[in-house]
Amino acid sequence: EVQLVESGGGLVQPGGSLRLSCAASGFSFSAYWMHWVRQAPGKGLEWVANIKEDETEKYYVGSVKGRFTISRDNAKNSLYLQMNSLRPEDTAVYYCAKGGRGFGDWGQGILVTVSS
Amino acid sequence: QSALTQPPSASGSPGQSVTISCTGTSVGVYNYVSWYQQHPGKAPKLMIYEVSKRPSGVPDRFSGSKSGNTASLTVSGLQAEDEADYYCNAFAGYNNLVFGGGTKLTVL
Repeated sequence: EVQLVESGGGLVQPGGSLRLSCAASGFSFSAYWMHWVRQAPGKGLEWVANIKEDETEKYYVGSVKGRFTISRDNAKNSLYLQMNSLRPEDTAVYYCAKGGRGFGDWGQGILVTVSS
Repeated sequence: QSALTQPPSASGSPGQSVTISCTGTSVGVYNYVSWYQQHPGKAPKLMIYEVSKRPSGVPDRFSGSKSGNTASLTVSGLQAEDEADYYCNAFAGYNNLVFGGGTKLTVL
């Protein structure tokens, strides 16, 4: 059974940093693109970033370019999102999702709140 | 980055069929359209990928199609548990992915 478990969320002040982690199990992690998707409170889904199996390609939505960095450790079956210069509009539940044919599997999500 | 437009709401009675549309330029260019169901407080669930393919475990009451720049999700034989938010997603070129704004499906 595929499991994706996010951690590292919480309350941070504007301008601050957080690092989200996603622990994967139940599938061959190193064989899949992985994604981060977020959902602001009461709003729709927004794709944030993705990363190729071997980390050679990484892509971001325009609003986070230069501030967020996606990475992975295939030896640890883990996906990360380093978030710097956080803004109130980054407040959202962040999901990690397994790529392939659509976003086939999702974590339970982790809340990030950016507020003073 | 192209936008995907969905109607904010849709509804139908139990047993009826409902179709939700998703319109955008990238829908017409690429065959990478997927649909997600999200119940309140839950993570999204993949219902359709690559326009019309159903993952294992998804009831065949759910079907997808595409015509020009519009993709559609049809839910046949509506059931109470189908009441949820539905989102389309498409490859938008330049290595970007984009979601539609979501449609709240109400089972009357």
